[in-house]
Amino acid sequence: DTAVSQTPKYLVTQMGNDKSIKCEQNLGHDTMYWYKQDSKKFLKIMFSYNNKELIINETVPNRFSPKSPDKAHLNLHINSLELGDSAVYFCASSQEPVGAEAFFGQGTRLTVV
Amino acid sequence: DAKTTQPTSMDCAEGRAANLPCNHSTISGNEYVYWYRQIHSQGPQYIIHGLKNNETNEMASLIITEDRKSSTLILPHATLRDTAVYYCIVRDTNAGKSTFGDGTTLTVKP
Repeated sequence: DTAVSQTPKYLVTQMGNDKSIKCEQNLGHDTMYWYKQDSKKFLKIMFSYNNKELIINETVPNRFSPKSPDKAHLNLHINSLELGDSAVYFCASSQEPVGAEAFFGQGTRLTVV
Repeated sequence: DAKTTQPTSMDCAEGRAANLPCNHSTISGNEYVYWYRQIHSQGPQYIIHGLKNNETNEMASLIITEDRKSSTLILPHATLRDTAVYYCIVRDTNAGKSTFGDGTTLTVKP
């Protein structure tokens, strides 16, 4: 069983569209994250949720709206997609804030054309 | 989180030990050192972490200097599959996030 799974793996869409990326973890972790990795391979945290509550929002445009229906899921919805949103988005989970390692999904490669 | 400095790239011969350094001179007393790696097109993978003492697991060893201002990740017998970007991260376990730097691209050569 995949510990942290994201869907879709690839997403190609036009500017201005609205899209969602789903993430699920079966590790029983309390905390989930979204990271963005741009073309320069720099990994930057976007959001963190702990038990469905938002605890970190790293100055992300409000076109990005995370939603956590339960602690095993953290979905990322993006409105009015822009070319600069093209990147690989990684979901992760950990037993924060007292835990150790974070487990990452395989990423969603978003291409906005 | 404290800033970390790593070399941009390193090469290692297959079967030899790979020693990846990391400087974290502004680390504070409650911050841990974590190492992750990212193999091409995959999600980052946890390797090891430590606070003061040296640590070893099935993947690697972590050597932290006594003043905690630097550390070294050791892959004892590097294989071609260890080719990846290795990230050294310093974080407070209560901070709720990991801040990744630029990492070191390790290339293991036959």
